[in-house]
Amino acid sequence: DGGITQSPKYLFRKEGQNVTLSCEQNLNHDAMYWYRQDPGQGLRLIYYSQIVNDFQKGDIAEGYSVSREKKESFPLTVTSAQKNPTAFYLCASSESEYQPQHFGDGTRLSIL
Amino acid sequence: GQNIDQPTEMTATEGAIVQINCTYQTSGFNGLFWYQQHAGEAPTFLSYNVLDGLEEKGRFSSFLSRSKGYSYLLLKELQMKDSASYLCAVMDSNYQLIWGAGTKLIIKP
Repeated sequence: DGGITQSPKYLFRKEGQNVTLSCEQNLNHDAMYWYRQDPGQGLRLIYYSQIVNDFQKGDIAEGYSVSREKKESFPLTVTSAQKNPTAFYLCASSESEYQPQHFGDGTRLSIL
Repeated sequence: GQNIDQPTEMTATEGAIVQINCTYQTSGFNGLFWYQQHAGEAPTFLSYNVLDGLEEKGRFSSFLSRSKGYSYLLLKELQMKDSASYLCAVMDSNYQLIWGAGTKLIIKP
């Protein structure tokens, strides 16, 4: 079955630690996105990528980094510079920037 | 600034009809999307409107008025499984999605 896989489902981070969230898609989509979802707020865009080896900052990129070395993969690293990382992180992909986005099941990140 | 407004929470009865409204102010407009999100799960795509009017898809319909900056999602013959959050998102002039905070819909028997 085609889809978007995020792992892990739950992740805990210690102070000063970097953590990487995985996102893999087998839909052959060109565009991929990372969002953060906090209670009572709309999804906020962290980073997006329209083609391999290229990505752009979204509205809240500070404290995060990404790579797009393969079409299928778009990992997100939450660095120690992100002071409030506790949130639900959603990865999405679409055929192009004009098409509906399809989402993975999300990773819930918490601070120990 | 860019803004999407939708009610925080609505309650409806199983078998009834409910309308969830969304108003928007964005930098340009390249379409409006509705998504359904069950608690702790991924949003799933429901509908897309780019022209004025009503789009019907089974029990769900979505309406758009670009001149009023207004859309609604209409759910008919409500079922318990329709209990979820419904997210409105507008694609702006840069083809970025601007998201509302979502409307939590509670269905009562």
